[in-house]
Amino acid sequence: LAKTTQPISMDSYEGQEVNITCSHNNIATNDYITWYQQFPSQGPRFIIQGYKTKVTNEVASLFIPADRKSSTLSLPRVSLSDTAVYYCLVGPTGANNLFFGTGTRLTVIP
Amino acid sequence: DTGVSQDPRHKITKRGQNVTFRCDPISEHNRLYWYRQTLGQGPEFLTYFQNEAQLEKSRLLSDRFSAERPKGSFSTLEIQRTEQGDSAMYLCASSLELVRDRESGELFFGEGSRLTVL
Repeated sequence: LAKTTQPISMDSYEGQEVNITCSHNNIATNDYITWYQQFPSQGPRFIIQGYKTKVTNEVASLFIPADRKSSTLSLPRVSLSDTAVYYCLVGPTGANNLFFGTGTRLTVIP
Repeated sequence: DTGVSQDPRHKITKRGQNVTFRCDPISEHNRLYWYRQTLGQGPEFLTYFQNEAQLEKSRLLSDRFSAERPKGSFSTLEIQRTEQGDSAMYLCASSLELVRDRESGELFFGEGSRLTVL
């Protein structure tokens, strides 16, 4: 499974758009990019998944350039409740041994 | 169904004791996973079941660890002769087997069982 690199931490004010970038230079042809969110003392929760270009759901958008060597999770108008750790994962759908890495700790400031 | 449930949520034990964690996955999910998470780190894969068959084990799963899923429903993770290094959050997740292209393979995690070994 491809390794990923993401910032260790980010701070943002409430109401701003937050973009978290993930690098995955060794992404394979059949790999998808998946983001999970984790609050303290809870298990991770699926946010969004994409293969190329742009994917949007009710929570976030995922931007993937043509070379697929990076991706950006975009959270519109964050609130205090978006304070969490965000993990970028790369691998085939249904992969059994997902690699989470250390994630990006997002802190939303009032 | 209320999601993946794990029991107990917290366990404090003395070094050398055995502990067992239970996971009840979402009822229609045939895949079940165990992960371990230590403070400041992301979850690390331990093992995976499809129905009752344990199909993959991480090198992290030492001989003191054993996982079962006897009837393809709930699963147990037992740690024998616990060590202080076993202190962690043990996360269980479940998912559906992919039968169609472009399904996400989304994992549904429980809230975890936190183990503290004194």
